[in-house]
Amino acid sequence: DVKVTQSSRYLVKRTGEKVFLECVQDMDHENMFWYRQDPGLGLRLIYFSYDVKMKEKGDIPEGYSVSREKKERFSLILESASTNQTSMYLCASSAVNQPQHFGDGTRLSIL
Amino acid sequence: AQRVTQPEKLLSVFKGAPVELKCNYSYSGSPELFWYVQYSRQRLQLLLRHISRESIKGFTADLNKGETSFHLKKPFAQEEDSAMYYCALRNNAGNMLTFGGGTRLMVKP
Repeated sequence: DVKVTQSSRYLVKRTGEKVFLECVQDMDHENMFWYRQDPGLGLRLIYFSYDVKMKEKGDIPEGYSVSREKKERFSLILESASTNQTSMYLCASSAVNQPQHFGDGTRLSIL
Repeated sequence: AQRVTQPEKLLSVFKGAPVELKCNYSYSGSPELFWYVQYSRQRLQLLLRHISRESIKGFTADLNKGETSFHLKKPFAQEEDSAMYYCALRNNAGNMLTFGGGTRLMVKP
């Protein structure tokens, strides 16, 4: 069974802090994704990576960056956290042209 | 640009009643459509995909290219079907999904 693990279920940070959200998958998937999930807006793609050190912007990349130094790990970075980045963050992974598998999510609050 | 619309944010039905969760999409090519489900306190998981043409937990969905719809249906709703449902589209150019806003299904006893 595919396992996508997000390092924290809940995280509280202050505005202006640099925040790291970590995601690890154990199925050697090429693709990894970061979404944010907000009521009424569904899931919106922040960034997508299709290989180590490769990334593409999603629909809402502003204020975020990502890092993929190893195939199994995909990090989301909030360079200077703001209150409008309070949200649920979901990581997903997939093999090429296969369905995505999701982690449990990290509920991030920016105070 | 591709877009997925789920017109109902909340759908409430009684146990045993038929249920239909609507999904409409806009995309000029040949999309692949999915339904994902998120039960309370669980992770988002794939429910079904249109190319599989299978029934999962009694749910079915047919891709209607003429109406650009992919509605999810179940003839007799169960209380355990209460969850958040998301329709998603993948275009034929890559691996990214576009999600709808989601519909919360509540099945009352």
